[in-house]
Amino acid sequence: AQTVTQSQPEMSVQEAETVTLSCTYDTSESDYYLFWYKQPPSRQMILVIRQEAYKQQNATENRFSVNFQKAAKSFSLKISDSQLGDAAMYFCAFQGGSNYKLTFGKGTLLTVNP
Amino acid sequence: SAVISQKPSRDICQRGTSLTIQCQVDSQVTMMFWYRQQPGQSLTLIATANQGSEATYESGFVIDKFPISRPNLTFSTLTVSNMSPEDSSIYLCSVGPSQFYEQYFGPGTRLTVT
Repeated sequence: AQTVTQSQPEMSVQEAETVTLSCTYDTSESDYYLFWYKQPPSRQMILVIRQEAYKQQNATENRFSVNFQKAAKSFSLKISDSQLGDAAMYFCAFQGGSNYKLTFGKGTLLTVNP
Repeated sequence: SAVISQKPSRDICQRGTSLTIQCQVDSQVTMMFWYRQQPGQSLTLIATANQGSEATYESGFVIDKFPISRPNLTFSTLTVSNMSPEDSSIYLCSVGPSQFYEQYFGPGTRLTVT
């Protein structure tokens, strides 16, 4: 069974600064996908970024980028130029195997200070 | 990405009653999933709703408590039966997998059982 661990229950960052959220996972699968989802107080789950395990290049989406270390089973999210609208709960998620289900970490609550 | 709606958005129910939650997608999708998010917690998969066959339930979730229907490729329902206060949660449906294996989520249903 896969497990996803987010070791930072809460993080805070100053507006316009950079913050990194940590995620590690454990799996025996060789082919899998990793995701970061954002859940603001509205509770809507929003996909932030995805990473295919077979790709060595780290994914980037505007101000969001990941540091994917496959051997270490690490998948951190970096948010650059943080904005007030980035404040939310961030979940790391793993998908592997044929059943397509997502396994989520416990989440990191990000606060952005003006 | 697909546009997903859920009804109701929230409800307050009496102990011992049942509530059916609807999930509607604006396009045909292969798989639909139902997740539970208990207060302050992460998402846990309840079951995968398969069109034309019975739902596949995760460990700890049973059909008698959470019956699911999937009559076509754009619609699914989740019923929470014989509710107790422990069932107070946000229930989310999602669809997938998309081209890159991510899932897209509905806005969620906040259920409070008194």
